[in-house]
Amino acid sequence: NAGVTQTPKFRILKIGQSMTLQCAQDMNHNYMYWYRQDPGMGLKLIYYSVGAGITDKGEVPNGYNVSRSTTEDFPLRLELAAPSQTSVYFCASSPTGIGQETQYFGPGTRLLVL
Amino acid sequence: QKEVEQNSGPLSVPEGAIASLNCTYSDRGSQSFFWYRQYSGKSPELIMFIYSNGDKEDGRFTAQLNKASQYVSLLIRDSQPSDSATYLCAVDSWGATNKLIFGTGTLLAVQP
Repeated sequence: NAGVTQTPKFRILKIGQSMTLQCAQDMNHNYMYWYRQDPGMGLKLIYYSVGAGITDKGEVPNGYNVSRSTTEDFPLRLELAAPSQTSVYFCASSPTGIGQETQYFGPGTRLLVL
Repeated sequence: QKEVEQNSGPLSVPEGAIASLNCTYSDRGSQSFFWYRQYSGKSPELIMFIYSNGDKEDGRFTAQLNKASQYVSLLIRDSQPSDSATYLCAVDSWGATNKLIFGTGTLLAVQP
């Protein structure tokens, strides 16, 4: 199993550009999450999904959108990139809800908005 | 605002010593508590989880939970230089399933 994969590993965006961060998992997990981690900070939940077709907002959803058309994929869309979105983005998945299982993290995407 | 607080460190301990990492949380309804280790430039990986008051041991790691004091800690015995990393405490958000609240992490440096 590849686990959780993320692409790209690193990206530089200009202010106002858009992009999609890709996340895929091959563990047949129902739950998937997107976090951002700013330097020296913990992880903040952006969006999460409990299954295909079901998504919900986390702590910091503004400026982002998600979709979940399949169990495997959970892309994160950035519209009109801003310098405040410079961060490291982690995707994670888990078989069931938080209380029962850990989350498995992908390697992360480093995004720089200039 | 539900919060999880950790001392940012760095916590410096000599090789072979016990490292003690602490975390407090604000939500009395939280049920699940996790410790993640994160090496520089890498993604978090689960070290321990604990649900019940008391101690839980796994190898060199012991998690301690005191719900009355809203306090969770991680002890690392016989610390090794390879334990040098940032340790993130995470707590579930009661009433909002599927959401973890993370602390900012404590940087541990084990000196050879």
